[in-house]
Amino acid sequence: DGGITQSPKYLFRKEGQNVTLSCEQNLTHDAMFWYRQDPGQGLRLIYYSQIVNDFQKGDIAEGYSVSREKKESFPLTVTSAQKNPTAFYLCASSITVGRGTNTEAFFGQGTRLTVV
Amino acid sequence: AQKITQTQPGMFVQEKEAVTLDCTYDTSDQSYGLFWYKQPSSGEMIFLIYQGSYDEQNATEGRYSLNFQKARKSANLVISASQLGDSAMYFCAMNPESNRLAFGKGNQVVVIP
Repeated sequence: DGGITQSPKYLFRKEGQNVTLSCEQNLTHDAMFWYRQDPGQGLRLIYYSQIVNDFQKGDIAEGYSVSREKKESFPLTVTSAQKNPTAFYLCASSITVGRGTNTEAFFGQGTRLTVV
Repeated sequence: AQKITQTQPGMFVQEKEAVTLDCTYDTSDQSYGLFWYKQPSSGEMIFLIYQGSYDEQNATEGRYSLNFQKARKSANLVISASQLGDSAMYFCAMNPESNRLAFGKGNQVVVIP
């Protein structure tokens, strides 16, 4: 079945460690996005990518890094520079059909990261 | 950058009644898309409805309709005949010309029998 897969579902990290969250899609979508969600809050954009080998910072990119070496993959690394990384992370993808006319974004199930 | 505002506090809705969730946005773009998503307690994001900025008709999808007022930059979601399964967080989102999809802070809806 087509969709977006995020792994792992739950992740625990020690302070000072980098950790990479996986996001894979088989929808052949061009655009991919990473969002952070804190309890009771909305989604804040971390990074997004419109095409392979290109990505842009979102509103809260500090302490995070991404890569887009393949169309179907957009991993997010939470670095030790991120001061408060405990949160729910959502990956999404969408078809880019023109400026401002994307179809809806499809989401993965999310990864809940906890720093211990 | 564009801004999406959802300011209503948590809402209690009687089963079978309609509920309107407010969303206003700010953009200088002429072309953009507006979306509503539902997030139940499980955390998944469920797409509900889409409205293009050039669409003249308000979007409808089953029990969901979008009251689009372009001049007021408003895109309110109306859920008719509420069901217990509608209890969730609801997010308004906008995709501008930059394709930088952004979300509002959400509205909590609780449907009571």
